[in-house]
Amino acid sequence: GENVEQHPSTLSVQEGDSAVIKCTYSDSASNYFPWYKQELGKRPQLIIDIRSNVGEKKDQRIAVTLNKTAKHFSLHITETQPEDSAVYFCAAETGANNLFFGTGTRLTVIP
Amino acid sequence: DTAVSQTPKYLVTQMGNDKSIKCEQNLGHDTMYWYKQDSKKFLKIMFSYNNKELIINETVPNRFSPKSPDKAHLNLHINSLELGDSAVYFCASSRGGPGELFFGEGSRLTVL
Repeated sequence: GENVEQHPSTLSVQEGDSAVIKCTYSDSASNYFPWYKQELGKRPQLIIDIRSNVGEKKDQRIAVTLNKTAKHFSLHITETQPEDSAVYFCAAETGANNLFFGTGTRLTVIP
Repeated sequence: DTAVSQTPKYLVTQMGNDKSIKCEQNLGHDTMYWYKQDSKKFLKIMFSYNNKELIINETVPNRFSPKSPDKAHLNLHINSLELGDSAVYFCASSRGGPGELFFGEGSRLTVL
């Protein structure tokens, strides 16, 4: 099955700085790569996703990049704010509704 | 309106007991899931149901059994609870195929 690795496990940045979270996956058949944000005590919620036919996607302060050859994808958050503090999960889907999550990154934005 | 709702939100029980967690979605989605999130925050898929058919079962002990009376419901039954079953269990739904998962609020199970 798919194996998704995520780094770093924790990340602290100063408010206004950028944050980058990286993931790798093992199954070359994976074709959908979402990112979820989970605030303390809350449910995971989708913040951005990218499909295999696209190399980069941006939504305001959030961007994702995908390198299918190297099997890695990244989340970039610019101009971080305290409300960005949360646990972020990457995921990869191979099809058949089979979504595998990375191990999560706890992001702390220091005011 | 709550899109994906699950009950109970908290469940404390003794080892060896049998318990159920219910999940309902009003989004008209075709596929529903159960995920387990342990104390380290790892999210692992347990089951998914598409049109009442189980299509994923990721090395979950057979003490866990999903039951789907209809497309809008996927309940989780757990027999002979063990300490290691303590976790937050999330129900989710999607339209099917690669796309957004909509999660419920989670059910925190504590086994004493």
